[in-house]
Amino acid sequence: DGGITQSPKYLFRKEGQNVTLSCEQNLNHDAMYWYRQDPGQGLRLIYYSQIVNDFQKGDIAEGYSVSREKKESFPLTVTSAQKNPTAFYLCASSLAGDGTDTQYFGPGTRLTVL
Amino acid sequence: GNSVTQMEGPVTLSEEAFLTINCTYTATGYPSLFWYVQYPGEGLQLLLKATKADDKGSNKGFEATYRKETTSFHLEKGSVQVSDSAVYFCALRTRGQNFVFGPGTRLSVLP
Repeated sequence: DGGITQSPKYLFRKEGQNVTLSCEQNLNHDAMYWYRQDPGQGLRLIYYSQIVNDFQKGDIAEGYSVSREKKESFPLTVTSAQKNPTAFYLCASSLAGDGTDTQYFGPGTRLTVL
Repeated sequence: GNSVTQMEGPVTLSEEAFLTINCTYTATGYPSLFWYVQYPGEGLQLLLKATKADDKGSNKGFEATYRKETTSFHLEKGSVQVSDSAVYFCALRTRGQNFVFGPGTRLSVLP
């Protein structure tokens, strides 16, 4: 089955710790994205990558970092500099980054910082 | 810049009622338009899309027509079911720009 996987589904961390969220896709998509969703809110773009070894900041990149060493993988690190990291994190991918192609989403990771 | 406006929720309907969720947009260029659905605790799923004016997207009994003259893409379904309870997001994308999502509309369908 082709799709996007995110792991873990639930993640708990202590304040001040860095944590990395996994996102993998086997759709052969060039572009990948990370969004943050807060309760009752829409989606806000954190980072995106249109090709391997390249990525750009989205609207709320502060306190986050990413890497894109492989086409299939786009991990997101939530650093201790992120002031309010508790949220639902969604990864997405699309065939190309600059067209009008559909974005497909993973199941999400719910991060809770204690 | 691009933007999407959706009707505020929550929307509560009885089973078999008619559903309309309004969506209007502002865009530079010619956007593609999308409706996504999010069930509790899950990611977003593409529900339907339309890529040019007057196109109608449809899926699972839901429909939306791309109206360029009114810059709208309203979501409709003739008879909702309890299983349609979810949050619905209208979105657009233009060439060279990232997706823009509306704030979402929560739908609750009562038996």
